[in-house]
Amino acid sequence: QTVVTQEPSFSVSPGGTVTLTCGLTSGSVSTSYYPSWYQQTPGQAPRTLIYSTNTRSSGVPDRFSGSLLGNKAALTITGAQADDDSDYYCLLYLDSGISVFGGGTKLTVL
Amino acid sequence: EVQLVQSGAEVKEPGESLKISCKGSGYIFTNYWIGWVRQMPGKGLEWLGIIYPGDSDTRYSPSFQGQVTISVDKSISTAYLQWSGLKASDTAIYYCARSSGSYPYYFDSWGQGTLVTVSS
Repeated sequence: QTVVTQEPSFSVSPGGTVTLTCGLTSGSVSTSYYPSWYQQTPGQAPRTLIYSTNTRSSGVPDRFSGSLLGNKAALTITGAQADDDSDYYCLLYLDSGISVFGGGTKLTVL
Repeated sequence: EVQLVQSGAEVKEPGESLKISCKGSGYIFTNYWIGWVRQMPGKGLEWLGIIYPGDSDTRYSPSFQGQVTISVDKSISTAYLQWSGLKASDTAIYYCARSSGSYPYYFDSWGQGTLVTVSS
C-alpha cells in the first residue's frame, strides 16, 4: 500500500521561510501525482492552498508556493505569519481515481 | 459561489446504520467529482472515496472498500456517505469536498464537516 510521508512537525519564526515536503515510501513524486496542499486550523474544514504541484488556489496569498524538490513535492511559506500556524496536508493522486493524504505537518510559528 | 452543505451531527450506537449527506450548489453538480474525507479525533485527513454524479462512477480507497458506501442523487444535487453497521472506530468528522472537473486530482471546495459519534 502506498504511504505518503510528511514531516510530523516544523517550526518557523515570524517572517521566516519554511519548506514542508511530501514524499512516497516507495518512488518519487512527480507532476503526474498532481500534488496538492491543504491548510487546516483547529475546528475548521481544510482549505485548499496549492494544486497541480504549483498553482495557487483562488485567494491564497503569494507567500505560499508549491514545487518539486528532489523526489518530493514541497510547500514553501515565505515570510511566515502568525496565522500560518496550522496543520498542512498534502494529497497525491495515485491512479484510477484513487488519492492518498499524507499524515500532515503541524507548523508552529513562534 | 460554490457551496457544499453537509447534514448535521449524528450520535449513534454500535451496529446502527447511518447515511449523511452533502448538498452542492453554485455550480453544475453533475460535472464535478465529490469526495469524502475522514478525520478521526486528533488525527489527520484520510481519503475515503469519490463519486462522479454524472454517471455515479465511484472509486474507493482500498482501506475503506466494503466499509462505507458512497452514492448520489443528482436530481437534488446531493451526495451521500453511508454505513450499514457502525463501529466505535467510525467516530470522526467526515468532510465532503468537490474535486476538480473531469479528473479527481485535487479538492477545490469543502463542506463544513459532519461529526459522527458512535457510542453505547
